[in-house]
Amino acid sequence: DTGVSQNPRHKITKRGQNVTFRCDPISEHNRLYWYRQTLGQGPEFLTYFQNEAQLEKSRLLSDRFSAERPKGSFSTLEIQRTEQGDSAMYLCASSLRESARDTDTQYFGPGTRLTVL
Amino acid sequence: GDSVTQMEGPVTLSEEAFLTINCTYTATGYPSLFWYVQYPGEGLQLLLKATKADDKGSNKGFEATYRKETTSFHLEKGSVQVSDSAVYFCALRGALTGANSKLTFGKGITLSVRP
Repeated sequence: DTGVSQNPRHKITKRGQNVTFRCDPISEHNRLYWYRQTLGQGPEFLTYFQNEAQLEKSRLLSDRFSAERPKGSFSTLEIQRTEQGDSAMYLCASSLRESARDTDTQYFGPGTRLTVL
Repeated sequence: GDSVTQMEGPVTLSEEAFLTINCTYTATGYPSLFWYVQYPGEGLQLLLKATKADDKGSNKGFEATYRKETTSFHLEKGSVQVSDSAVYFCALRGALTGANSKLTFGKGITLSVRP
């Protein structure tokens, strides 16, 4: 399977704990995005990388959230001191952007469902 | 800022019925427009897209036309099947060249097709 993969698929944690999610994009895709989706809503943008550089972060991404993409391959999203409001599906997407005018298509992974008790 | 508004759901149709799901947007300039679909237990998949005014995106019998004058991108299918039961999301990507290509999504609408 050469699609976007995410691990774990489900995570249950207690309030105050730290959690880390991993995303493996489609090979050779240079852009990687993180979104968050809550029940009954569409995905909301959190942050994105072009290669290893994190180019934008949403206001939704509080100081407790950090994302990395070392070497421009896989990415991790860490949430520190989790709160119940962090419970959501965390989606990763990747795309190949070849030029500034390119309408790159984003391919989504299956998501990681986080439940904070 | 950019926003996408989808009609309220859920929608329940009988097989072979005609489907229209409304989507309107607010954005600067000429954004690219997308429909994504999420089948039960699966991730988001791109269904179709249109990148400029009057373009028509089509796939799997679904169509949507980019209407700049009405800022709309309504999804249509002439004859739905049970296998089309899913959640459908309308989305846009901002128009600014070189800008972040993040997607802005609508809330999604659940379609159920009964045999």
